[in-house]
Amino acid sequence: KAGVTQTPRYLIKTRGQQVTLSCSPISGHRSVSWYQQTPGQGLQFLFEYFSETQRNKGNFPGRFSGRQFSNSRSEMNVSTLELGDSALYLCASSMGLAGGGAGEQYFGPGTRLTVT
Amino acid sequence: GDSVTQMEGPVTLSEEAFLTINCTYTATGYPSLFWYVQYPGEGLQLLLKATKADDKGSNKGFEATYRKETTSFHLEKGSVQVSDSAVYFCALSENTGGFKTIFGAGTRLFVKA
Repeated sequence: KAGVTQTPRYLIKTRGQQVTLSCSPISGHRSVSWYQQTPGQGLQFLFEYFSETQRNKGNFPGRFSGRQFSNSRSEMNVSTLELGDSALYLCASSMGLAGGGAGEQYFGPGTRLTVT
Repeated sequence: GDSVTQMEGPVTLSEEAFLTINCTYTATGYPSLFWYVQYPGEGLQLLLKATKADDKGSNKGFEATYRKETTSFHLEKGSVQVSDSAVYFCALSENTGGFKTIFGAGTRLFVKA
């Protein structure tokens, strides 16, 4: 079974621009979560989508948004980029249902975003 | 809100030494607990999990027991190898109508030959 894929793997943008990151979950997984990883703040939860609906959201400004498509693929968008948005953005997929595998996530390799 | 606290690193051990990485949590409900590992140059991988009190998760020689009374989920391994060098993250996940996973800061482990 193919793992979680994220595109692009690396991205360099300028302050004020916007960026869209893409994530394809493991086949059959309906939940996609996004995280920001930085050396200073560690791994921070951005949001979770399940069946095209945002179910949970972390404490990030409205510049960070996302969506999920009917095939469970997800995109994350950051508008008006700031230097502090430079980070590794990780996507994780899971079944998204209560039960034995609840909360168990499978991570993609991440997208390294650099804002200059 | 929910939080996870794990011991600061780096932790440096010699091969075959005993490993403990402490993890404690605060949660409003009854979370599932996880350890994830990030090897150099690789993505995060699930190492082990426990979903209820007194459950023991285990994988690759690593173990952790869900202790509700002490709100802890300490990671242990009896004999580490050089290949265990990585960053280890403790995490909790609660079903609040959706899943939100909170991670600890991570503990970097170096194992010397």
